[in-house]
Amino acid sequence: DSGVTQTPKHLITATGQRVTLRCSPRSGDLSVYWYQQSLDQGLQFLIHYYNGEERAKGNILERFSAQQFPDLHSELNLSSLELGDSALYFCASSVSPGGTIAFGSGTRLTVV
Amino acid sequence: DQQVKQNSPSLSVQEGRISILNCDYTNSMFDYFLWYKKYPAEGPTFLISISSIKDKNEDGRFTVFLNKSAKHLSLHIVPSQPGDSAVYFCAVLTSGTYKYIFGTGTRLKVLA
Repeated sequence: DSGVTQTPKHLITATGQRVTLRCSPRSGDLSVYWYQQSLDQGLQFLIHYYNGEERAKGNILERFSAQQFPDLHSELNLSSLELGDSALYFCASSVSPGGTIAFGSGTRLTVV
Repeated sequence: DQQVKQNSPSLSVQEGRISILNCDYTNSMFDYFLWYKKYPAEGPTFLISISSIKDKNEDGRFTVFLNKSAKHLSLHIVPSQPGDSAVYFCAVLTSGTYKYIFGTGTRLKVLA
């Protein structure tokens, strides 16, 4: 158990819908990262937050947004969903930027 | 444009032999390198890391080698065990940034 909690584990939704993925970082970790893993693809960096502030952005679509709340949990919002958004979404956390990051077990999103 | 490449999607090795997983990167600004292991239905877990000031780091059966001039990273597992069967991702980072870039992964199968 990495200490990073992601909910829900599985999500099935229809095209055009909006979903929210939730992440609770390890106790004491201030940094939260979001990654997307599509079929046979590597882990694509989406976005990083540190202590509530956005610090880095990757290939995140405009339909996607995220935030980190004062209690340090984070949410990834995906809207106007398309079939191609079906993927595993991982959250990771670390005490500070850099060093090693610990991953949650992921949310598997299926868009039908 | 892939900044981190793992050119072997899969690798099969006999139990007890050496497993060598390779990773190439393009940007000489990367100065911290990590390997993660991922089992099905789980998030990636940290395995071993190395900073650019070293060329080798060892942890039990796992050794990471860094060749900065060739921009090449490798992970050696000796001896390989069936429990090592997993997908292995290399990741790179530039100190002071927050963007871990992952390769596409190599699926290792250790045959008993």
